[in-house]
Amino acid sequence: NAGVTQTPKFQVLKTGQSMTLQCAQDMNHNSMYWYRQDPGMGLRLIYYSASEGTTDKGEVPNGYNVSRLNKREFSLRLESAAPSQTSVYFCASSDSLGNTEAFFGQGTRLTVV
Amino acid sequence: QKEVEQNSGPLSVPEGAIASLNCTYSDRGSQSFFWYRQYSGKSPELIMFIYSNGDKEDGRFTAQLNKASQYVSLLIRDSQPSDSATYLCAVNTGDSSYKLIFGSGTRLLVRP
Repeated sequence: NAGVTQTPKFQVLKTGQSMTLQCAQDMNHNSMYWYRQDPGMGLRLIYYSASEGTTDKGEVPNGYNVSRLNKREFSLRLESAAPSQTSVYFCASSDSLGNTEAFFGQGTRLTVV
Repeated sequence: QKEVEQNSGPLSVPEGAIASLNCTYSDRGSQSFFWYRQYSGKSPELIMFIYSNGDKEDGRFTAQLNKASQYVSLLIRDSQPSDSATYLCAVNTGDSSYKLIFGSGTRLLVRP
């Protein structure tokens, strides 16, 4: 029972480097999300995808891009990493956007130096 | 103003007491309300959801919703040390996007 799988679990980047965080779910969910979590800030929505083929900006989209590759996969790309992007990133999925339980991956701890 | 507000805590209660966690939201059109629990270093996991005004009970947990006051709360009865965690309130937005927005969380500490 994999649920939501994120890779990698840990990553250290140098300022200006790029990388893609991968997320896949096996629950046949329509909606997927990317959040970042910083101390004392809770979860902030970066981008979301209501259904396959659609993506929309959340609360803090600057510096990120996403791709909903198919129904299972939703990737998050940092084109030019900055220290302000040091955070824990969570991918989540749900059957219906905002109306049903969201299931979370185990998180990616990203440090930008 | 943040869309979903929670007191960051920590809220400290003795074992066996009732813990009361509160959340206010700004969007009157919000329709779905969730409480997630997050242990340190782990992912959030759903505790309860509530869609209608009033109370909803599940074991030791009760969610309360008051849409007129834009207020949702979580009561934990007979609190246990294992309940010590951060509790996140989440609300869907009332616009057509229905995206899920989280509060900053309340840290609960249950003292043995």
